[in-house]
Amino acid sequence: DIQMTQSPSILSASVGDRVTITCRASQSINSWLAWYHQKPGKAPKLLIQKASSLETGVPSRFSGSGSGTEFTLTISSLQPDDFAIYYCQQYKSPPWTFGQGTTVEIK
Amino acid sequence: QLQLQESGPGLVKPSESLSLTCTVSGGSMSSSSYRWGWIRQSPGKGLEWIGDVYNSGSAYYDPSLKSRVTISVDTSKNHFSLTFNSVTAADTAVYYCATLRIVPAGLLDYWGQGTLVSVSS
Repeated sequence: DIQMTQSPSILSASVGDRVTITCRASQSINSWLAWYHQKPGKAPKLLIQKASSLETGVPSRFSGSGSGTEFTLTISSLQPDDFAIYYCQQYKSPPWTFGQGTTVEIK
Repeated sequence: QLQLQESGPGLVKPSESLSLTCTVSGGSMSSSSYRWGWIRQSPGKGLEWIGDVYNSGSAYYDPSLKSRVTISVDTSKNHFSLTFNSVTAADTAVYYCATLRIVPAGLLDYWGQGTLVSVSS
């Protein structure tokens, strides 16, 4: 199985901050990486696929980059609605696997 | 836009079977180009893909769970189901049903709201 590791586990930030979350894969997944966010009591929602392609309706303050084994999710100016848990997921090969999550909390 | 809704018991006894159904609305499963999947989330293991099935009935499972899991589809009723045998406390989790894209495989688009299943005597 491909293991996905995110860092940090918890990120404390303020509205307006630029934040970056890192996701590393245990082997190359090319660009087959997705980012989701999850709010309390809700299901995860797809934000980015193929490492850097924003889903329709996702604000442009979100961006993704990387390929191979190292990837980043950046929020250019954190908004109140962005405080959530963020997960990366590889879809290079099954079993599809997720990172353990990064909680973005209010500082 | 598809909506998905899980249903099933919230409490299951150890060693028994867990059965959940996901009802799809907003479109016909038989004319949709998706695979139909189950994912669970527990504090100890995070998000875990269990498996998914195509309209033809062809299913794929996480190898670590394969011996205990069956996912089936009934397009005439517009629903698909999960059966999990010989459950233990470690199977306590929120269970989500979701759609997975076929191309590329593995991306999760639409999710149900999730249902908490506790395994306890």
